[in-house]
Amino acid sequence: AQSVTQPDIHITVSEGASLELRCNYSYGATPYLFWYVQSPGQGLQLLLKYFSGDTLVQGIKGFEAEFKRSQSSFNLRKPSVHWSDAAEYFCAVGPTGGGNKLTFGTGTQLKVEL
Amino acid sequence: KAGVTQTPRYLIKTRGQQVTLSCSPISGHRSVSWYQQTPGQGLQFLFEYFSETQRNKGNFPGRFSGRQFSNSRSEMNVSTLELGDSALYLCASSLVGDTDTQYFGPGTRLTVL
Repeated sequence: AQSVTQPDIHITVSEGASLELRCNYSYGATPYLFWYVQSPGQGLQLLLKYFSGDTLVQGIKGFEAEFKRSQSSFNLRKPSVHWSDAAEYFCAVGPTGGGNKLTFGTGTQLKVEL
Repeated sequence: KAGVTQTPRYLIKTRGQQVTLSCSPISGHRSVSWYQQTPGQGLQFLFEYFSETQRNKGNFPGRFSGRQFSNSRSEMNVSTLELGDSALYLCASSLVGDTDTQYFGPGTRLTVL
C-alpha cells in the first residue's frame, strides 16, 4: 500500500530564511506526487505536482520540489519565506492509473517568525 | 472559472441524525472525490465518483455514501451520525478522472453533538 511520511510536524523559520519541508513516500512504481497548502479554515491549494520528466518542478508562490527516486523523497523548498507562507503543508501521492485517490501525509505546520 | 463549491460551509447535528453535503465541481470536471479531515486521522479518502459511477472507495463504514449526478455535482450522505464524524469534509474535482490534478473546495465543517 502506498504511504507518505512527513517527518516534521512543526517547523519555525524566520521571514527571509530558506525553507525545506521533507516528504518521503512508499509506492511500488513511479508515483504521482503533489504538495498542497492549507490555510486555517480553508481547503487545500495545489502548490505543485510531479508526474514525470524533469525531477525539479516549479510551483506557485515561489515553491519548488525535487523528486529523488533513490531516496523516495519529494521535498518542498523555498529560497526566502514570507510571513504569508505560514500554513499547513501536505504532501500527497496518487496512483498511476485507475482513479484519483490521494494518500496524504500528516502535514507540516509552518510558522514564520517576523 | 469558478472553483469547487461546497454547501453548506458549516453544519451542526446531533448523534443519530443524518446529513447530506453537496459539492459542485469546476465546470467541465467529471471526477469528484471526497475526503475527511480530522486532527487525529488527518486527511482520509472517502470515495471518488466519475461519470456518475463510484470508482474508488476508502475504508469507511457503510454509513458513508455518496452519489454523482449527470451534471457532475456530487452529494455525500452520512447516516446515524456519531461524535467521531465531526470533521472537515473536503470535496475535490478533476478534469479527466484518472490521476489528474485535483482541485479542492473550502470544505464543510460538520460538528456532531
